[in-house]
Amino acid sequence: AQSVAQPEDQVNVAEGNPLTVKCTYSVSGNPYLFWYVQYPNRGLQFLLKYITGDNLVKGSYGFEAEFNKSQTSFHLKKPSALVSDSALYFCAVRVLNSGYSTLTFGKGTMLLVSP
Amino acid sequence: KAGVTQTPRYLIKTRGQQVTLSCSPISGHRSVSWYQQTPGQGLQFLFEYFSETQRNKGNFPGRFSGRQFSNSRSEMNVSTLELGDSALYLCASSFDVGTSGGRDEQFFGPGTRLTVL
Repeated sequence: AQSVAQPEDQVNVAEGNPLTVKCTYSVSGNPYLFWYVQYPNRGLQFLLKYITGDNLVKGSYGFEAEFNKSQTSFHLKKPSALVSDSALYFCAVRVLNSGYSTLTFGKGTMLLVSP
Repeated sequence: KAGVTQTPRYLIKTRGQQVTLSCSPISGHRSVSWYQQTPGQGLQFLFEYFSETQRNKGNFPGRFSGRQFSNSRSEMNVSTLELGDSALYLCASSFDVGTSGGRDEQFFGPGTRLTVL
């Protein structure tokens, strides 16, 4: 079975400071990893994904994530936070299984960026 | 391209009723997945359809069902509604989840907020 853990329910950061939202995963096989963001009363928006190749993945809105196989982590980062980054962030994992695969999400981390 | 659309956006039903939710994927996308989002359980996978066939199913009772039409539009139905079915139901589409090896990201609609009284 595959699973995702987001150990922090909430992350607080001041505008202009770097931010990190943590994600660890557990799968049997090679993972495909995704980050999504959800604003209030909206669906999820895709930010970035790791499939293969470089461990540092760059995505939308200045976000990036680092894949660490030994630590089974895929932390989301941004060098300088904006108040508009405040939202709910989800990490998700998928692994190919018998030709098909489902996407498993973490519980989500609320990011609050203060002015 | 237009995004994923879901109708209706809001629904209020009473226990025991049934409900049908609709999802129109992005043009050209063949895979449609449904998720239930609640504050307590987070995002839970309901089922996935590809070319009118259910390809994966989550751990939900048989009251939850779905289908996909030849134009890739999808509907999900919940019968005999219970209070615990109150949730945001999200639909997501992708070009192809299965044969691409799971590399494709999913694009989500705004969701249907179902309230069961």
